[in-house]
Amino acid sequence: GDSVTQMEGPVTLSEEAFLTINCTYTATGYPSLFWYVQYPGEGLQLLLKATKADDKGSNKGFEATYRKETTSFHLEKGSVQVSDSAVYFCALTYAGGTSYGKLTFGQGTILTVHP
Amino acid sequence: DSGVTQTPKHLITATGQRVTLRCSPRSGDLSVYWYQQSLDQGLQFLIQYYNGEERAKGNILERFSAQQFPDLHSELNLSSLELGDSALYFCASSGLGYNEQFFGPGTRLTVL
Repeated sequence: GDSVTQMEGPVTLSEEAFLTINCTYTATGYPSLFWYVQYPGEGLQLLLKATKADDKGSNKGFEATYRKETTSFHLEKGSVQVSDSAVYFCALTYAGGTSYGKLTFGQGTILTVHP
Repeated sequence: DSGVTQTPKHLITATGQRVTLRCSPRSGDLSVYWYQQSLDQGLQFLIQYYNGEERAKGNILERFSAQQFPDLHSELNLSSLELGDSALYFCASSGLGYNEQFFGPGTRLTVL
């Protein structure tokens, strides 16, 4: 079945450092890929998405590129802020077929940014 | 604010009991999804409804059931509760295309 693997956390960085959170996936078809963020005590918020190979999703300074050849969707940000401290989830879904849009999540990566 | 509401925010109950979690999707969204988030299992898809009909099932226990009503709100019923059912339960909704899901704030269930 489909699966998503994220790099082990937690990740601790200083403010203005460069961030990379690795995400690789195993899929039987051609999924859409997402990064969700969960701030303490809150639900998940969509951070960015990409629906086909070579698409780049971007939002709030975060970027991720859908790489079909390496089955990866790594999250990057050039300069993190304390307010970026949260749990980040990589996920995939299909727009149709028997999965009907259910999200398959990675295990989540805790990011802590210190001033 | 995602526009998805969930009640209650917190629920504390005892083993063997039954509880009902409620979700109201964003205005106009026909699909509702339920997910369970726990420390050992991570985020797991439970079940999906589309316009009142069950569309997909994930790792949902037989003790759990759900439904979506004509006004599109959904309820997740958990019965014969066990300690291991303690978790955060999220509801999400989406419109056409299934590509983007909007999550509610979750219901934290504690089974004592």
